[in-house]
Amino acid sequence: AQSVTQLDSQVPVFEEAPVELRCNYSSSVSVYLFWYVQYPNQGLQLLLKYLSGSTLVKGINGFEAEFNKSQTSFHLRKPSVHISDTAEYFCAVSVYNQGGKLIFGQGTELSVKP
Amino acid sequence: NAGVTQTPKFQVLKTGQSMTLQCAQDMNHNSMYWYRQDPGMGLRLIYYSASEGTTDKGEVPNGYNVSRLNKREFSLRLESAAPSQTSVYFCASSILSANTGELFFGEGSRLTVL
Repeated sequence: AQSVTQLDSQVPVFEEAPVELRCNYSSSVSVYLFWYVQYPNQGLQLLLKYLSGSTLVKGINGFEAEFNKSQTSFHLRKPSVHISDTAEYFCAVSVYNQGGKLIFGQGTELSVKP
Repeated sequence: NAGVTQTPKFQVLKTGQSMTLQCAQDMNHNSMYWYRQDPGMGLRLIYYSASEGTTDKGEVPNGYNVSRLNKREFSLRLESAAPSQTSVYFCASSILSANTGELFFGEGSRLTVL
């Protein structure tokens, strides 16, 4: 079975500062990895995904994530955050040929302060 | 573009009442999913339908039933609501054949059981 752990439930940061949201996963088979963002009172939308190839993945809104197989991590980073990045961020995994199901982490609330 | 549409957006029930959450997608996706979101627990899969005519249990199926009415529609039914089912419910869809696990989400249905 797969599991996802997001190491921080809340991350407060000042505007224009860098941020890293941490995600570790557990799986005995190869996985696909995702980060989703949820703005207040909305559904989730995809930020970025790792399927194969380059371990550094770039997504929308200036976010990027690095897949580290040896550490089973997929941390999300942004060099300079904006107020509009305030949202909840979810890390998720899926396994090939398992119905496309996503297993989500608990979520990290990113709060960007002026 | 409508994407994934859920109804109703808000509902208040009394313990023991029944209701059905409706979900429809217009992207010609094969797979559809129902998740529930609770604070500090991320999103947990209730049921999914990999393709029209099939449904399978997810992590937390107890107290729920589903119907894949056709390729577009996937409904979630609570036969006898309990306070523990107070949650935000999200429907999602994906192109299973691509096996990339990218899900497209509706805006959610907030259910309160008194």
